Amino acid sequence: ETGVTQTPRHLVMGMTNKKSLKCEQHLGHNAMYWYKQSAKKPLELMFVYSLEERVENNSVPSRFSPECPNSSHLFLHLHTLQPEDSALYLCASSLGTGDTDTQYFGPGTRLTVL
Amino acid sequence: GQSLEQPSEVTAVEGAIVQINCTYQTSGFYGLSWYQQHDGGAPTFLSYNGLDGLEETGRFSSFLSRSDSYGYLLLQELQMKDSASYFCAVPAGGQNFVFGPGTRLSVLP
Repeated sequence: ETGVTQTPRHLVMGMTNKKSLKCEQHLGHNAMYWYKQSAKKPLELMFVYSLEERVENNSVPSRFSPECPNSSHLFLHLHTLQPEDSALYLCASSLGTGDTDTQYFGPGTRLTVL
Repeated sequence: GQSLEQPSEVTAVEGAIVQINCTYQTSGFYGLSWYQQHDGGAPTFLSYNGLDGLEETGRFSSFLSRSDSYGYLLLQELQMKDSASYFCAVPAGGQNFVFGPGTRLSVLP
């Protein structure tokens, strides 16, 4: 167990649906991340939150909307997605956002967009 | 920008030693990390090298040469459970973090 949980583990949605992914960390960390992992592509960093404030947004389309209500919870709100958005979405947390801070990953949500 | 290169696949037998290489191009350098990911699982941290040299953690060791922009992960006494994908990663400044494409290791009996 990594101390980072994600729900749901699997999600199938149509292009007109709205859904949310949830991440919770039980490690007392101050930073949380959303990554996208597509088949045969490197992990792509989407968003970084530090102390509940967004500090990095790697040019992610607006159909992905993050929310960090507190340092233990992170959401990714999804709307009008495209089939190419189908991927594994991974949440991670770290104690800080320094270069040596180890990231701890959740098990991911496998998203399929029809 | 940042980019990392790794071999896509490596195959070895149980009990053997395998080395997974990673070369990187970064505008700044803050260290090299390694992560392991089993099929269907989450990436888990293995090691970090901030300085040149070898870091050893049990059967796994990681090496860094900053002058060569090169590092490797060394796995000894391979076990079937070591079959997984291995990613090198570099902090890219500004809370950014870049992962390599991953190397899929298959351990054969």
